[in-house]
Amino acid sequence: GAVVSQHPSWVICKSGTSVKIECRSLDFQATTMFWYRQFPKQSLMLMATSNEGSKATYEQGVEKDKFLINHASLTLSTLTVTSAHPEDSSFYICSALKGTSGIGTQYFGPGTRLLVL
Amino acid sequence: GEDVEQSLFLSVREGDSSVINCTYTDSSSTYLYWYKQEPGAGLQLLTYIFSNMDMKQDQRLTVLLNKKDKHLSLRIADTQTGDSAIYFCAESFGEGSWGKLQFGAGTQVVVTP
Repeated sequence: GAVVSQHPSWVICKSGTSVKIECRSLDFQATTMFWYRQFPKQSLMLMATSNEGSKATYEQGVEKDKFLINHASLTLSTLTVTSAHPEDSSFYICSALKGTSGIGTQYFGPGTRLLVL
Repeated sequence: GEDVEQSLFLSVREGDSSVINCTYTDSSSTYLYWYKQEPGAGLQLLTYIFSNMDMKQDQRLTVLLNKKDKHLSLRIADTQTGDSAIYFCAESFGEGSWGKLQFGAGTQVVVTP
């Protein structure tokens, strides 16, 4: 199997606070994980590639100081939304890459819905 | 614009076959994928096809790949109400891209009784 979990599944926070989202690969090790953002009725937008033991690679237009990514182990990556604002409200989805670069397959977590008031 | 394009909506009667189409642009793509997303949930990998294959069948699912036209399709036989969801096709970037995917906008499939 290839199971990926996310925690929390939903979170409501006040503007200005920081929120941490965890992504875990439960039954396989993943040196690479990805973080996506999805707006209603839209596709997934890749935010960053998280690599275990090294700095994340951010896509163009994504603020690295706003969205902090830490891939501390082969089964855990975290995304911290710092000083969240209402425009950060979204559905955040992570995926973990099973296999090696170029021939691996991404398995997705169930997503975390963030609402910033 | 999108590098991967899909039609946005498909309505199909229960028991009929559904065909979802997708076009992509990167000829160096190694794999092409179909994912299913149910409301409020993450993406579920349905199937994938290696770029040197023309067809792959997996139970009710048939994937056809026309590499010349960069056209990918997913056929769902005997469509059920549980198949109602958004279906995303995705292409992998080239070698050395760390498994990055480019997604289409998704096709909303609605199955009617």
